[in-house]
Amino acid sequence: DTGVSQDPRHKITKRGQNVTFRCDPISEHNRLYWYRQTLGQGPEFLTYFQNEAQLEKSRLLSDRFSAERPKGSFSTLEIQRTEQGDSAMYLCASSSSRSGNTIYFGEGSWLTVV
Amino acid sequence: DAKTTQPNSMESNEEEPVHLPCNHSTISGTDYIHWYRQLPSQGPEYVIHGLTSNVNNRMASLAIAEDRKSSTLILHRATLRDAAVYYCILRDVQGGSEKLVFGKGTKLTVNP
Repeated sequence: DTGVSQDPRHKITKRGQNVTFRCDPISEHNRLYWYRQTLGQGPEFLTYFQNEAQLEKSRLLSDRFSAERPKGSFSTLEIQRTEQGDSAMYLCASSSSRSGNTIYFGEGSWLTVV
Repeated sequence: DAKTTQPNSMESNEEEPVHLPCNHSTISGTDYIHWYRQLPSQGPEYVIHGLTSNVNNRMASLAIAEDRKSSTLILHRATLRDAAVYYCILRDVQGGSEKLVFGKGTKLTVNP
């Protein structure tokens, strides 16, 4: 088990471009979470999937953000028309109701919008 | 969402014990107390969690007050690798996403 994997680890993009991040959760984890973290702050919840169903979305997830988990395994987080305020680390996490519900985080994907 | 209060920062010396406090006066009966830590440029790492009784694992110990309104994370012998931001989080595991709601945490500095 290699843990939660995120790709890319770093992304620099120009304002107005679209970016997509991928998350591969721990094998057989049915729950998947996305968080955003800016410098000096704790991670902020964005959205939650149980299997392929997106069950909860934060108000932080504006209409420029979309997350999918089409087959209940990996997930993608897309940001359209990026703005400088989107610069942050995007964290993915997963858990399983079968293994104690502990939430495990990936290393994060750093986004810099210039 | 339930709230916790932690000191912004703490300092310790290497190989000495560290006691990281957390207040959670509004805790409900179904809230578990979770601790995560985050090393620089890494994702948060699970440390320990508990409900009512004190808990021990290979990383740390968690001491929970009898009224559950406060808890203390104990690192028995701090090392330089324990320098991180430590988050105390209440997590309601009764249905829903059971997401973690992070505060600002305590930044622990370990001096050699």
